[in-house]
Amino acid sequence: SQQGEEDPQALSIQEGENATMNCSYKTSINNLQWYRQNSGRGLVHLILIRSNEREKHSGRLRVTLDTSKKSSSLLITASRAADTASYFCATEGTYKYIFGTGTRLKVLA
Amino acid sequence: DTAVSQTPKYLVTQMGNDKSIKCEQNLGHDTMYWYKQDSKKFLKIMFSYNNKELIINETVPNRFSPKSPDKAHLNLHINSLELGDSAVYFCASSQGLVRDEQFFGPGTRLTVL
Repeated sequence: SQQGEEDPQALSIQEGENATMNCSYKTSINNLQWYRQNSGRGLVHLILIRSNEREKHSGRLRVTLDTSKKSSSLLITASRAADTASYFCATEGTYKYIFGTGTRLKVLA
Repeated sequence: DTAVSQTPKYLVTQMGNDKSIKCEQNLGHDTMYWYKQDSKKFLKIMFSYNNKELIINETVPNRFSPKSPDKAHLNLHINSLELGDSAVYFCASSQGLVRDEQFFGPGTRLTVL
């Protein structure tokens, strides 16, 4: 069964707006990662947050982790057309990462 | 300087054929993976290798056989291809198991006719 599930499945916003996507998972984790996938490309790692961290920033990205609710969110501020992509969370299973179903983000110019 | 490379990028073949996909990483990582991404973008792990040793075989049909000749290479051979094998296959690598970020290859789009 899937460990991580993102919502919404799809999100369409105007350039300059903020985009928030969420990931929920089922079992305890040591860390959670977010990845971006542009159309026709491989996944690119964005950020890793550990279970003892509540928030992490990287440029225009802000990730939060709430282990009590087993959820994480990814916020992209001041979105750009180039942010159009699918975003996945990945949580750890036994010797493997389990990816969620992804959020398809479309940023309109 | 491509970190994780895969060949070929596209593969179109008939049902019943045997095909291979090659993967190489030049990052010096110990762990390599194969993932399958279906048409709904669901990404599922198939295999992982650590220092050439098989760690994960995620209930993949035995028509799929990975081979790791050394730490930098993990190839995937598929026998008797079926329509349901059509997908995008991604190779990835990481320094260790689970706790490190993964670096993905560009993917191989396999179409079985």
